[in-house]
Amino acid sequence: DAGITQSPRHKVTETGTPVTLRCHQTENHRYMYWYRQDPGHGLRLIHYSYGVKDTDKGEVSDGYSVSRSKTEDFLLTLESATSSQTSVYFCASASDYNSPLHFGNGTRLTVT
Amino acid sequence: EDQVTQSPEALRLQEGESSSLNCSYTVSGLRGLFWYRQDPGKGPEFLFTLYSAGEEKEKERLKATLTKKESFLHITAPKPEDSATYLCAVRITSGTYKYIFGTGTRLKVLA
Repeated sequence: DAGITQSPRHKVTETGTPVTLRCHQTENHRYMYWYRQDPGHGLRLIHYSYGVKDTDKGEVSDGYSVSRSKTEDFLLTLESATSSQTSVYFCASASDYNSPLHFGNGTRLTVT
Repeated sequence: EDQVTQSPEALRLQEGESSSLNCSYTVSGLRGLFWYRQDPGKGPEFLFTLYSAGEEKEKERLKATLTKKESFLHITAPKPEDSATYLCAVRITSGTYKYIFGTGTRLKVLA
């Protein structure tokens, strides 16, 4: 396994507050991804990174930002949390362009 | 529009009762099809990658096959520990680093 750690594993926050989720990988993988998983929608890409300081938007990026200052760390920030952002968030990494993704165990976020 | 559809949504099998899960895709160009297993409260775990029609991969009781329009995950003589949600994803040739996921098949194997 790629050794991906997500923190926190669970978080409850109030509408309008900023939230940062953390992803740390120990495999020196170049590519990192943030997904959200919701019933009936499957995994949807929020943002991804193809190198340090190189990031791009996915299909559901509104209200989210990311940063990658080191190869091993990829942060997801909800600038002002809304109830529609209640979800399970997964981080993933891959060694190269076509490699399979390796996932962390997720962060369950509840916005009240 | 690129799309991945999995069927059935849920499947209940008796232990030893073989069956197949389907993943059909409509994409602009396929770079690879991936199968994952997801247990409750965990992240998806990689199972197989298939790259071209006719390719097959096997692991224990699981066998994945690929045609030009769909992939099947065959489960032979399943055991209760095979109970999980099985996800498929496609990597497309759009020039982005994206994978498109299906919504999964929830498999329950009864002892």
